Amino acid sequence: EDQVTQSPEALRLQEGESSSLNCSYTVSGLRGLFWYRQDPGKGPEFLFTLYSAGEEKEKERLKATLTKKESFLHITAPKPEDSATYLCAEKGSSASKIIFGSGTRLSIRP
Amino acid sequence: KAGVTQTPRYLIKTRGQQVTLSCSPISGHRSVSWYQQTPGQGLQFLFEYFSETQRNKGNFPGRFSGRQFSNSRSEMNVSTLELGDSALYLCASTGVGDTEAFFGQGTRLTVV
Repeated sequence: EDQVTQSPEALRLQEGESSSLNCSYTVSGLRGLFWYRQDPGKGPEFLFTLYSAGEEKEKERLKATLTKKESFLHITAPKPEDSATYLCAEKGSSASKIIFGSGTRLSIRP
Repeated sequence: KAGVTQTPRYLIKTRGQQVTLSCSPISGHRSVSWYQQTPGQGLQFLFEYFSETQRNKGNFPGRFSGRQFSNSRSEMNVSTLELGDSALYLCASTGVGDTEAFFGQGTRLTVV
């Protein structure tokens, strides 16, 4: 079955300390690789969709990139308000459902 | 435009009872999906509806059911509640021709 694996499970950074979150996926015929942000007790907030290897998208301090089997969410000079769980998800060509990874809990210390 | 709306936001039910949750998708979206989120299992896909038809179903027991109305609004029902059904239930809608899903704020269900 298609699977999405995220690492690390948790990441604590100092404000301004850049880093990357990893997402590996197994689906063939990728129709979309998604990144979401989720704050405690709230629904996931859509960030990016990537469709093909080599594609990159940016939003403020976040940049998402895609290879054939992995995606990375790069966070540059993070601020405490970037603290959240970041979820990666995939949609394959053979199914209409979206499969989620277990997320990376990001904590930014002031 | 208005986002996905889920009601109620919080529910407390007793074991053995049943519960119905409601979801209004973004205007113009015809696909509605439901997910269960727990600390141990993460986001688990329940089912997806498109134009009033169930298009996909996850690995949940038959106690979990859903439906979609002609205005794309959706409901999910859980019968004979168990303690393990306590979770955040999330609804997401997708536009025709789109791939990404937009989520509501969820319904927090607690079974006691």
